[in-house]
Amino acid sequence: ETGVTQTPRHLVMGMTNKKSLKCEQHLGHNAMYWYKQSAKKPLELMFVYSLEERVENNSVPSRFSPECPNSSHLFLHLHTLQPEDSALYLCASSQSEGYTEAFFGQGTRLTVV
Amino acid sequence: GENVEQHPSTLSVQEGDSAVIKCTYSDSASNYFPWYKQELGKRPQLIIDIRSNVGEKKDQRIAVTLNKTAKHFSLHITETQPEDSAVYFCAAGPGAGSYQLTFGKGTKLSVIP
Repeated sequence: ETGVTQTPRHLVMGMTNKKSLKCEQHLGHNAMYWYKQSAKKPLELMFVYSLEERVENNSVPSRFSPECPNSSHLFLHLHTLQPEDSALYLCASSQSEGYTEAFFGQGTRLTVV
Repeated sequence: GENVEQHPSTLSVQEGDSAVIKCTYSDSASNYFPWYKQELGKRPQLIIDIRSNVGEKKDQRIAVTLNKTAKHFSLHITETQPEDSAVYFCAAGPGAGSYQLTFGKGTKLSVIP
């Protein structure tokens, strides 16, 4: 275990549903990230939080809404998603943003139907 | 922003042979270059990283070289074993004014016993 836990592992949702992905890290890290991994595409950074403050947002559609209530927890709220949003969503944490090893969670496999 | 190109996209080698994966990047401000290994159905995990003040780094059968002038870096795996089979991602960053690591598209390495 790397100390980064994501739930649920698998999620199937309709386009009109609202769901949330959860990430928890037990490593005492200061930065947390959401990445999207689609087939045959590079890992795409969605959001970066440093010390619970959002420091980067890579033009992600508003149907994805992150929340970081404390340095150990990160959520990704989903609503009115599209089929093309189906992907593996990976959470990661690092000691500080950008310049140190990122520890990934096992991901949530999301399917939008 | 940063752009990372990774080649080849797939690579097959005989067990015991060497494997080389190459990446180029565009942002000269990038100063951290990690390599991640992702086995099928598992999370990406850091295998080696290099920072801009070092030209080469080695860890047992794995080595990474960095040429900042040419903006390219490479992963070398010697004496490959079947358990080296996985997808390998390079990354570069963070660039100027960003906290982001930009990932390459990945190389699927198959080691044939």
